[in-house]
Amino acid sequence: GAGVSQSPSNKVTEKGKDVELRCDPISGHTALYWYRQRLGQGLEFLIYFQGNSAPDKSGLPSDRFSAERTGESVSTLTIQRTQQEDSAVYLCASSLEGGKTTPLHFGNGTRLTVT
Amino acid sequence: KNQVEQSPQSLIILEGKNCTLQCNYTVSPFSNLRWYKQDTGRGPVSLTIMTFSENTKSNGRYTATLDADTKQSSLHITASQLSDSASYICVVSARNNRLAFGKGNQVVVIP
Repeated sequence: GAGVSQSPSNKVTEKGKDVELRCDPISGHTALYWYRQRLGQGLEFLIYFQGNSAPDKSGLPSDRFSAERTGESVSTLTIQRTQQEDSAVYLCASSLEGGKTTPLHFGNGTRLTVT
Repeated sequence: KNQVEQSPQSLIILEGKNCTLQCNYTVSPFSNLRWYKQDTGRGPVSLTIMTFSENTKSNGRYTATLDADTKQSSLHITASQLSDSASYICVVSARNNRLAFGKGNQVVVIP
């Protein structure tokens, strides 16, 4: 069956431009997470969606970052006025029941390079 | 301070040898602990989950242990293969459903 799909797989953008990253979770998964992974670093939590509840945005590093999710399907992460420090791999994960006892299923990420 | 600390940060081992990765956590109240494997350029994949009552669990050549009293877990890789080269990430779930990630153990298996 299909796993978590992210697009694009790679994105190169100029400093100051806006970018939009897309995540298609596994069908039926109510929970969706976005993480950022800088080169050689661990995963940094950004935002968490669980069903129709208000998203947990506590990990978003600045107001340049925002994310939306349509129901229990596609999510988009938007970074406005990109900075070089935004260069990283952005990973999306989905799970049943918010990962309480079920694993997170990750996509392969979008590698963002800001020049 | 990170709630999940992993050691060693990186290690190189010869193919066929064993190795053990450590994860210490301070997350409380504890729900479960999961080890993920992340191959280069890919997303992490779950290897095993440990709940409070479990001490050891195996998944092929991977064996995870948990000591909930000392808040320590280990992942043992037996008879390593080149395909074991990856980052191994310890993720601890609290009962409020928050997830705490370690920074990973980077393993390189050489022939």
